[in-house]
Amino acid sequence: SQTIHQWPATLVQPVGSPLSLECTVEGTSNPNLYWYRQAAGRGLQLLFYSVGIGQISSEVPQNLSASRPQDRQFILSSKKLLLSDSGFYLCAWSRGQGASDTQYFGPGTRLTVL
Amino acid sequence: KQEVTQIPAALSVPEGENLVLNCSFTDSAIYNLQWFRQDPGKGLTSLLLIQSSQREQTSGRLNASLDKSSGRSTLYIAASQPGDSATYLCAVRPRGQNFVFGPGTRLSVLP
Repeated sequence: SQTIHQWPATLVQPVGSPLSLECTVEGTSNPNLYWYRQAAGRGLQLLFYSVGIGQISSEVPQNLSASRPQDRQFILSSKKLLLSDSGFYLCAWSRGQGASDTQYFGPGTRLTVL
Repeated sequence: KQEVTQIPAALSVPEGENLVLNCSFTDSAIYNLQWFRQDPGKGLTSLLLIQSSQREQTSGRLNASLDKSSGRSTLYIAASQPGDSATYLCAVRPRGQNFVFGPGTRLSVLP
């Protein structure tokens, strides 16, 4: 069966510090990978998605970046965090982008920027 | 641009009641629609996925329907239980695009 891991689970960082969140998927190959942010009281916002190693598409311009160094590894980074970067970050995967493809979500990382 | 809304924003019902959650979307050109459940502080769990060619899907006490022409979907929960308490999110996948999520309905089932 497939599983998706995210770490850390919780993170408290000062403004201006760097960020690295990691997501890995087990039990599948060549998944589509996604990073979402869920701010308090707001819906899910798609930040980045990737259909393959080194292939990253950005949905929202911001001070965050993403990388996919391996097939089942997706990393979300920032060089300097802003207060507005606080939120709940969710990684997800799917087999493809067809009509029958479900998205499966990880447990999330709670980021607080102080 | 596809927009997804969910009504009501919050709902509180006594245990045992049947209930309906609503999802509306503005563009009917979709691949599929998916219902998720999110417990506080947790990730999303997929409940049901309805492809654009389908009208409904069922899983246990859950039934989701899709009416593309009117841009609506409903999630029906039968015989609600306290364990059903969570936020329920609707998401649509427009053709050639990624999922667009609604804001969710926060459900409380009281024992």
